[in-house]
Amino acid sequence: GQQVMQIPQYQHVQEGEDFTTYCNSSTTLSNIQWYKQRPGGHPVFLIQLVKSGEVKKQKRLTFQFGEAKKNSSLHITATQTTDVGTYFCVSYQKVTFGTGTKLQVIP
Amino acid sequence: KAGVTQTPRYLIKTRGQQVTLSCSPISGHRSVSWYQQTPGQGLQFLFEYFSETQRNKGNFPGRFSGRQFSNSRSEMNVSTLELGDSALYLCASSLGERTYNEQFFGPGTRLTVL
Repeated sequence: GQQVMQIPQYQHVQEGEDFTTYCNSSTTLSNIQWYKQRPGGHPVFLIQLVKSGEVKKQKRLTFQFGEAKKNSSLHITATQTTDVGTYFCVSYQKVTFGTGTKLQVIP
Repeated sequence: KAGVTQTPRYLIKTRGQQVTLSCSPISGHRSVSWYQQTPGQGLQFLFEYFSETQRNKGNFPGRFSGRQFSNSRSEMNVSTLELGDSALYLCASSLGERTYNEQFFGPGTRLTVL
């Protein structure tokens, strides 16, 4: 069945450093969505990627969808303490969530 | 616009009991999905409803059921509760027909089974 692996599970960075999380699928994805969940909060939609090789930017966040549509990445430039939380990718073909990457930013 | 609301926010039950959780989507949203979140398993999809019809179902036992009403409000029911059912249950609504669209999550119901 479809699996979406997300790495790393945890990441601690100094404020100002960059951060990247990756989602890898065993099968081709029709689309992928990214969500952020703050500690004690609920997931909040960030972006949806649909096209092969697609790159989208939101301020300091850059999202990519692989050429083969089997992987995706989220890159945060110059992290801030407000970036703290868990970042999930999700494929809605089989509604499979990545395991999430928990980001901790050290001020 | 008010966001997705879920009631109750917290619930404590004992093994063997049943529980009903409620979700009110954002006004105008007709698609509602339910998810279970646990530290060990992460986020898992339970089911999706659109216009009172179940469109998709996750890999959960039959003890987990749901329904959607004509006003798009949704309920999920868990019968014969087990300790492993302790989790945060999240509801999400979306404007479109399928979960491919942006999902707006509610605050969740924290269920503890003793």
